[in-house]
Amino acid sequence: AQSVTQPDIHITVSEGASLELRCNYSYGATPYLFWYVQSPGQGLQLLLKYFSGDTLVQGIKGFEAEFKRSQSSFNLRKPSVHWSDAAEYFCAVGADYGGSQGNLIFGKGTKLSVKP
Amino acid sequence: NAGVMQNPRHLVRRRGQEARLRCSPMKGHSHVYWYRQLPEEGLKFMVYLQKENIIDESGMPKERFSAEFPKEGPSILRIQQVVRGDSAAYFCASSPRLELRDRPYEQYFGPGTRLTVT
Repeated sequence: AQSVTQPDIHITVSEGASLELRCNYSYGATPYLFWYVQSPGQGLQLLLKYFSGDTLVQGIKGFEAEFKRSQSSFNLRKPSVHWSDAAEYFCAVGADYGGSQGNLIFGKGTKLSVKP
Repeated sequence: NAGVMQNPRHLVRRRGQEARLRCSPMKGHSHVYWYRQLPEEGLKFMVYLQKENIIDESGMPKERFSAEFPKEGPSILRIQQVVRGDSAAYFCASSPRLELRDRPYEQYFGPGTRLTVT
């Protein structure tokens, strides 16, 4: 069965520091991978996605993620964090068409706090 | 182009009452998905619908929960005889029509309905 693991429940970084949020997935074929961000009391906003091709994908707000098939990972990075990046981040994988067609499988999320 | 709309944003129900959550997908989107988010948890898939058709309801509890997406109007997630454990945020997402098997899809999320059962 497909699954997504985000090992870090909560991360705190200083403003201006670099950020890496980890995501590992379990999937038999080439996955469709997504990162979403959720501010408190809000819905989810798509940051970036990987479908195929270049394994380094650029997203909005200065985020990027790298797909590494050998490590089953899709880590999210940002070179310099801003206070407004404080939010919860969710990694997700698109479910297989043969089974649960169309839905996303989410990790439990990583809550990011930013110190001034 | 308006995004995915959900209403109400907050809903309070007493145990045993019914809850109706509405979702209007983005213009041009014909696929709707419902997810539930419990406190400190990620989103869990519930049901996937197209107009007048339930495609996958493998994530729906077997009793008390139902969903529809009629030809006209919003998609409705209905919870009958609510219990405290139903308290959660319910998110709707929509995506465009899928034409090819291997065409990737992205889902756009609404702001959610926060259901509180007292």
